[in-house]
Amino acid sequence: EPEVTQTPSHQVTQMGQEVILRCVPISNHLYFYWYRQILGQKVEFLVSFYNNEISEKSEIFDDQFSVERPDGSNFTLKIRSTKLEDSAMYFCASTGGGSYEQYFGPGTRLTVT
Amino acid sequence: GIQVEQSPPDLILQEGANSTLRCNFSDSVNNLQWFHQNPWGQLINLFYIPSGTKQNGRLSATTVATERYSLLYISSSQTTDSGVYFCAVGTGTASKLTFGTGTRLQVTL
Repeated sequence: EPEVTQTPSHQVTQMGQEVILRCVPISNHLYFYWYRQILGQKVEFLVSFYNNEISEKSEIFDDQFSVERPDGSNFTLKIRSTKLEDSAMYFCASTGGGSYEQYFGPGTRLTVT
Repeated sequence: GIQVEQSPPDLILQEGANSTLRCNFSDSVNNLQWFHQNPWGQLINLFYIPSGTKQNGRLSATTVATERYSLLYISSSQTTDSGVYFCAVGTGTASKLTFGTGTRLQVTL
């Protein structure tokens, strides 16, 4: 069964550093998403991406964040200058295979020290 | 935006017991999904159920869209069912999911 994959599974970075989180969505999907979950809290929407542009973003998704689909398979989330409060689990999701069901990747746990 | 409430927030069961988790939402939806978050943090997709009833083994779910709620039933619970259960809803074409705050389930021997 097709699945969404994410790399790395865990990343530790120092405050102020740039990080890129990578996702490979399901191949025939057209809509892509990033969500994050701070430890012990609920999952929050960050951004959605369709047709090579951002379709919606939350207030969390400020100028420090960017997304890109650099080729036909990868979907990336970049945080330019990480802060301690960016420490969270980041989930990628995709949909578009004929229903609205979103398929989630296993997540990347980002720790900012 | 849409509000999603889950109840109860915490639930402790003995192995073999049955349980019902509830998700209320404040607006019409065209997507509703139930997830189980395992101890490693992964979100396991249980059901895509914007309306109607589905069953998968010991789990089943019902969404009554007109009354804006969904129920997740777990029968004959096992310790591996422990974790957090999230309900998430979407309101437009391939729109974002809004998650509830979850129900934390602990199944004991």
